[in-house]
Amino acid sequence: DVKVTQSSRYLVKRTGEKVFLECVQDMDHENMFWYRQDPGLGLRLIYFSYDVKMKEKGDIPEGYSVSREKKERFSLILESASTNQTSMYLCASSNTLVGRSSKTQYFGPGTRLLVL
Amino acid sequence: GNSVTQMEGPVTLSEEAFLTINCTYTATGYPSLFWYVQYPGEGLQLLLKATKADDKGSNKGFEATYRKETTSFHLEKGSVQVSDSAVYFCALRRSGNTPLVFGKGTRLSVIA
Repeated sequence: DVKVTQSSRYLVKRTGEKVFLECVQDMDHENMFWYRQDPGLGLRLIYFSYDVKMKEKGDIPEGYSVSREKKERFSLILESASTNQTSMYLCASSNTLVGRSSKTQYFGPGTRLLVL
Repeated sequence: GNSVTQMEGPVTLSEEAFLTINCTYTATGYPSLFWYVQYPGEGLQLLLKATKADDKGSNKGFEATYRKETTSFHLEKGSVQVSDSAVYFCALRRSGNTPLVFGKGTRLSVIA
């Protein structure tokens, strides 16, 4: 069965702390993604990665960085957490597309982060 | 650019009512279209998808047809259940490895 896991379901941090959100997938997927989900705004893409050590900025990368040292793991880093980064963070992974075949993106359960 | 617009919620229906959640898109080329569902406290799950014009995706009694002429992918179900209460997201992916682009989501509440 397909599995994307995230290190924490709930996290409480203080302003200025460095925060690490970890995501692991066991499907040998090349592509991994980080989104944040906010009421009324839907899902917004923060960063994504097509391969180990590769990363691409999404729509809202400011205040975030990522790390992909191993194929199965994609970390989201908040260098100095701020209250406006309080949100639900969702990780996803997918296979590399072949031709026009469209592969499914599989999501983790999410991490709800509160920054005080 | 690419974007997805879906009807705003919340939508509240009685059990066994007919459901339609509208979704329209703007994209270059021939995107693939998706509906994802998020049950309370969980991540997103793929509900159905369609990869080319006139394709119909279906799953768990839900259906959506890829209409290129109207750039739409409306979600329908003939008879909703309380267990269908969730947030539904419409999404597209352009050809290639590009990430999904999501709509803002529509919250559905079904009451007995």
